[in-house]
Amino acid sequence: GQQLNQSPQSMFIQEGEDVSMNCTSSSIFNTWLWYKQDPGEGPVLLIALYKAGELTSNGRLTAQFGITRKDSFLNISASIPSDVGIYFCAGHFTGGGNKLTFGTGTQLKVEL
Amino acid sequence: DAGITQSPRHKVTETGTPVTLRCHQTENHRYMYWYRQDPGHGLRLIHYSYGVKDTDKGEVSDGYSVSRSKTEDFLLTLESATSSQTSVYFCAISESAGNYGYTFGSGTRLTVV
Repeated sequence: GQQLNQSPQSMFIQEGEDVSMNCTSSSIFNTWLWYKQDPGEGPVLLIALYKAGELTSNGRLTAQFGITRKDSFLNISASIPSDVGIYFCAGHFTGGGNKLTFGTGTQLKVEL
Repeated sequence: DAGITQSPRHKVTETGTPVTLRCHQTENHRYMYWYRQDPGHGLRLIHYSYGVKDTDKGEVSDGYSVSRSKTEDFLLTLESATSSQTSVYFCAISESAGNYGYTFGSGTRLTVV
């Protein structure tokens, strides 16, 4: 099946720092999404991307749909303690029905 | 105001026993999904449903079955639980084909001893 490789696996940063993470695939995707999971909860959608090259922001979060359609990036500016959690990328490819493929997640920890 | 609820939230069961997890939605969404979350593997699709009585397998469906007799309920059954099925299980819903902004439940933590 499709696989999404997400990196880094975990990050430990200082409050106020910017954060970057990415997701790569061996196959072309036509939709990329980014989710955040708080401890003890289910993932929540942050950003959805639908076109190659698209750059979309949601507050301090900015995500990009890679031009090759095989990758996506998420940046968080000026991190705060509530940014702690697991960030998942997810993708949909043509012929995948209404199913998403999820990445392995990036665990973000913020030091005050 | 949760439109999707999972029950139970936590369960401990013995190897070889049957277990059923329930997902209930009040959004009248057509699509429902069961995922499991394990360290290093992210979220993996077990089964999904695209309507009442319409279900299909995901990538890790062995040892699991599902049923959807009503729009609002999607049940996941472990016929004979094994320790490898210890995991956190998430249900998700989506409104229509092409809408990939899934809404997830809060999860069920299942431990098989």
